[in-house]
Amino acid sequence: SSELTQDPAVSVALGQTVRITCQGDSLRSYYASWYQQKPGQAPVLVIYGKNNRPSGIPDRFSGSSSGNTASLTITGAQAEDEADYYCNSRDSSGNHLGVFGGGTKLTVL
Amino acid sequence: QVQLQQWGAGLLKPSETLSLTCAVYGGSFSGYYWSWIRQPPGKGLEWIGEINHSGSTNYNPSLKSRVTISVDTSKNQFSLKLSSVTAADTAVYYCARGVVVAEGLGIYYYYMDVWGKGTTVTVSS
Repeated sequence: SSELTQDPAVSVALGQTVRITCQGDSLRSYYASWYQQKPGQAPVLVIYGKNNRPSGIPDRFSGSSSGNTASLTITGAQAEDEADYYCNSRDSSGNHLGVFGGGTKLTVL
Repeated sequence: QVQLQQWGAGLLKPSETLSLTCAVYGGSFSGYYWSWIRQPPGKGLEWIGEINHSGSTNYNPSLKSRVTISVDTSKNQFSLKLSSVTAADTAVYYCARGVVVAEGLGIYYYYMDVWGKGTTVTVSS
């Protein structure tokens, strides 16, 4: 079982805005990071920290956090955004162990 | 630009030891947490463990009894060994560079910004 909880699947109409959430106690101490994974490919970091995008990630991706919930928002979703999205943090035990959410399958309609 | 290149045996028999190595090219080896993650077919990502340049390790408790992560700073490489494998260990294994930043007031950033391409490991008799 994961200490970070994500909805298994979310859908969004092309060009609309979608929010993917991640819940967990450890998010009160650690900002979540977010990864996009397309079939047959390695995960790619899309958001880290308070709301930071690595070079090359479109600005339609943004992150936010409140309490024990982190969110990844895609504003104006594109067809190429269809992918699995995973949140990641350290666990809540205080042992600084990594943990992933179960992943959210995003479908762009 | 930092790149991770990973390699290791892709087909194992039950009870054998999985062994993978990841080489770091184009960047500093110190100051990071060098990590292993795996993904069983059709499932999500699972964090296996990490090591820093000085050899300090953290392991997933569910795998801790079977996992060893080591580092060779002279070669900028780190390695994963997983003993007594079973079919449940069949997965794509990734190496990645982990970053931890203390923002202050007990708040941290943690993320993995560079990933290897993955190695498919199949355990079958």
